[in-house]
Amino acid sequence: DTAVSQTPKYLVTQMGNDKSIKCEQNLGHDTMYWYKQDSKKFLKIMFSYNNKELIINETVPNRFSPKSPDKAHLNLHINSLELGDSAVYFCASSQDASSTGELFFGEGSRLTVL
Amino acid sequence: GQSLEQPSEVTAVEGAIVQINCTYQTSGFYGLSWYQQHDGGAPTFLSYNALDGLEETGRFSSFLSRSDSYGYLLLQELQMKDSASYFCAPKGATNKLIFGTGTLLAVQP
Repeated sequence: DTAVSQTPKYLVTQMGNDKSIKCEQNLGHDTMYWYKQDSKKFLKIMFSYNNKELIINETVPNRFSPKSPDKAHLNLHINSLELGDSAVYFCASSQDASSTGELFFGEGSRLTVL
Repeated sequence: GQSLEQPSEVTAVEGAIVQINCTYQTSGFYGLSWYQQHDGGAPTFLSYNALDGLEETGRFSSFLSRSDSYGYLLLQELQMKDSASYFCAPKGATNKLIFGTGTLLAVQP
C-alpha cells in the first residue's frame, strides 16, 4: 500500500491550459506539502497544509491553487500553464507541522508544458 | 535571509568513505535533515539531527554543529546503489524544510 500517492505521474499539456495533480496519504499524518523540483534538481517548497489549513505559502504565482478537502488529501490546480511550470511536482506529508524533519514523499508528477 | 551550500558533485569508489558537507543560514533553526534521491525517484529521508554531534544509522552517519551552522553526511563502505543525489535540509522558522540542489554522488567500481 503506497503511503503517499499522487496522480497523474506524467502530464504533457499545452501552454495556457489548466491542469490538476491529486495527492493522497494513508499515513494518518496531519501535515501535507507541495514541492517543485526543476531541471537542475532544485527542490523548493510551494505550500503546506496542516489539518486542512494553509500554513506555508511561498512566493508562488496565484495561478497555483492548492486545495485540501480533508487532511489526507492535498490537490494542486494550475491555471494558464506556462513553459516555466515544467517540473516535477512532489507531494509530501509529515506527522505534524512541528515534527522532526522527516517527510514522506510521493513518487512525483512530471509536468511538461509545450 | 537563508542560504544553503553543499558541493554540487562528489565522486568516490566502491568500498570507500565519502563525506558530504553542508553549511546553512536560516531564520531560526530546529534541526538538519538529510535526504537521498535516486534519479527519477522520490526523495527519501535518511536522518535528522536536532542536537550537536554524530548520529549513526548503519553505513550512514550524520553530524551537526549548531554553533558553526554546519553538518555533514558520512557514507561508509560505498556501494554502487549509493549513487544518488543527497540533500541537506535545515528546518528553519515556521518549521519549514529548506532544500537546495543537492550533491550528486557518483560511485565508481
